[in-house]
Amino acid sequence: NAGVMQNPRHLVRRRGQEARLRCSPMKGHSHVYWYRQLPEEGLKFMVYLQKENIIDESGMPKERFSAEFPKEGPSILRIQQVVRGDSAAYFCASSPRTGREQYFGPGTRLTVT
Amino acid sequence: DAKTTQPPSMDCAEGRAANLPCNHSTISGNEYVYWYRQIHSQGPQYIIHGLKNNETNEMASLIITEDRKSSTLILPHATLRDTAVYYCIVVPMEYGNKLVFGAGTILRVKS
Repeated sequence: NAGVMQNPRHLVRRRGQEARLRCSPMKGHSHVYWYRQLPEEGLKFMVYLQKENIIDESGMPKERFSAEFPKEGPSILRIQQVVRGDSAAYFCASSPRTGREQYFGPGTRLTVT
Repeated sequence: DAKTTQPPSMDCAEGRAANLPCNHSTISGNEYVYWYRQIHSQGPQYIIHGLKNNETNEMASLIITEDRKSSTLILPHATLRDTAVYYCIVVPMEYGNKLVFGAGTILRVKS
């Protein structure tokens, strides 16, 4: 059973561009979580999604950030008009149902120049 | 905010048991204790979790005190590859189990 997959692993964007980060959960997992780790800081929860639904977005910045988990295909974290402060590692995790352990992907490292 | 307290760092000799403590004095009856680790800058890795009984799997053992206010993660035979940041996290059973990561414990396994 393949683990959580994230792509791209590294992404470089200029200020003002858009960044799209993709996450494919483990097979059979319908719950996806996104976390962000700023340089030299801890992991922070961003958003929790199930298929076609956002369950908890309490950690998402109010502007420029959005997430989706469509019925078919990977979950997408979208950052519009990126700024240097968005440079971070973005981790996706999946679980088979709520209340269970989460399995993390390798992360996408976003660098904004 | 994290509901757990962990020492910032610990050292352990290779081949010896690593015992990582965690205080969670405000834990409620419907909350689990979870342990994850992050090796260098990789994605966090699930280790083990428990409610009130001691648990063991192929990676580690988890000892939870009877009053549930603290726990200890035990890596029975630490190797250099176990060098990582270890996070103790309290997670409610109910719907929506986002993980709240604290600073964790940096475990350095030395040869």
